[in-house]
Amino acid sequence: RKEVEQDPGPFNVPEGATVAFNCTYSNSASQSFFWYRQDCRKEPKLLMSVYSSGNEDGRFTAQLNRASQYISLLIRDSKLSDSATYLCVAFQGAQKLVFGQGTRLTINP
Amino acid sequence: ETGVTQSPTHLIKTRGQQVTLRCSSQSGHNTVSWYQQALGQGPQFIFQYYREEENGRGNFPPRFSGLQFPNYSSELNVNALELDDSALYLCASSLEQGHLWGYTFGSGTRLTVV
Repeated sequence: RKEVEQDPGPFNVPEGATVAFNCTYSNSASQSFFWYRQDCRKEPKLLMSVYSSGNEDGRFTAQLNRASQYISLLIRDSKLSDSATYLCVAFQGAQKLVFGQGTRLTINP
Repeated sequence: ETGVTQSPTHLIKTRGQQVTLRCSSQSGHNTVSWYQQALGQGPQFIFQYYREEENGRGNFPPRFSGLQFPNYSSELNVNALELDDSALYLCASSLEQGHLWGYTFGSGTRLTVV
């Protein structure tokens, strides 16, 4: 079983739609969680951190449920520029990021 | 301030050869981590260097080795290349070991083994 698991997609949705990504992690010792965005053939870039209390950044909302070991990302009013691969990430052992497989999202006009 | 820079950007090697990839960390960052990203997968942690010492290693064989220099730049060396080593190799630097302060990825080196 992978330490961080995501639905690989792909997700194809129309512009303006709401998209939800889910992720589970197996190592309960994971300290911090993040969503990264990766454009085609580019490096991953931090999208947002994920907290138990939930956090919002514009159209993006992230949530962590430690009891269920579950992480989510919601994108509202999706834009063409949101097309990318979204990576769910856990920070473990004070040294390494553990990435999920990534979920590819395509927003269609 | 400059970000994390990696060289070369692309590389083609033959199976059995050796390769060295280079990473210059962001100014002021003393910790460097290396990741391998195969096509269609998320990045996988190879190892981390802190103040010139290896500080943690992922599930990679010993033919993957590294160095960190006094200026905190780093090298990743891979011996006896295999076809499965074809991947994007990412370097990330951070301000301090054990923290994600300023954790920044370079744009990667795309290695193809033929």
